[in-house]
Amino acid sequence: NAGVTQTPKFRILKIGQSMTLQCTQDMNHNYMYWYRQDPGMGLKLIYYSVGAGITDKGEVPNGYNVSRSTTEDFPLRLELAAPSQTSVYFCASSNRGHSRGDYEQYFGPGTRLTVT
Amino acid sequence: SQKIEQNSEALNIQEGKTATLTCNYTNYSPAYLQWYRQDPGRGPVFLLLIRENEKEKRKERLKVTFDTTLKQSLFHITASQPADSATYLCASSRTTGKLIFGQGTTLQVKP
Repeated sequence: NAGVTQTPKFRILKIGQSMTLQCTQDMNHNYMYWYRQDPGMGLKLIYYSVGAGITDKGEVPNGYNVSRSTTEDFPLRLELAAPSQTSVYFCASSNRGHSRGDYEQYFGPGTRLTVT
Repeated sequence: SQKIEQNSEALNIQEGKTATLTCNYTNYSPAYLQWYRQDPGRGPVFLLLIRENEKEKRKERLKVTFDTTLKQSLFHITASQPADSATYLCASSRTTGKLIFGQGTTLQVKP
């Protein structure tokens, strides 16, 4: 199993450009998440999905969009890049464990994005 | 708003000692607390989960406690090693699978 894979690893965007961050998991997990992590900070939830066709906003969704057409893939779209979106982006997946709330999350390696 | 706070100052300890990291939560009653390890340039890796009705959980050299009165979780690494040096993240959840993360505490274990 590859687990959670993300592409690209690094990207530099100019202000106003658009891009899609790719995320794929091969663990057949229902739940998928997108986080951003700024230097010295914890992870902030951008969007999440509880299954194909179902997505919902997290704590910091402005400037981003997502879709979930398959169980495996959960791409994150930046429409008009802004310097405030410079960050490291992590995708994660999970399934419910043995009891309610037992959602151990598996993270990808991250995408480091710079907007200049 | 719901908040998870960890000590932002780095923790420096000598090899062989016990490292203790703190996680406090406010305006919130999490049902679960999770601890993750993050190495530089890598994604977080799950370590332990503790439920609100559990006082303590152990896994090898790791121990987590959950005190709902103090609104606090403590994470202990006994017999620490330089390889334990990393940033440790605390995260809380109720039953939806959405996690709220603290900012992390960096642990440095010196030989």
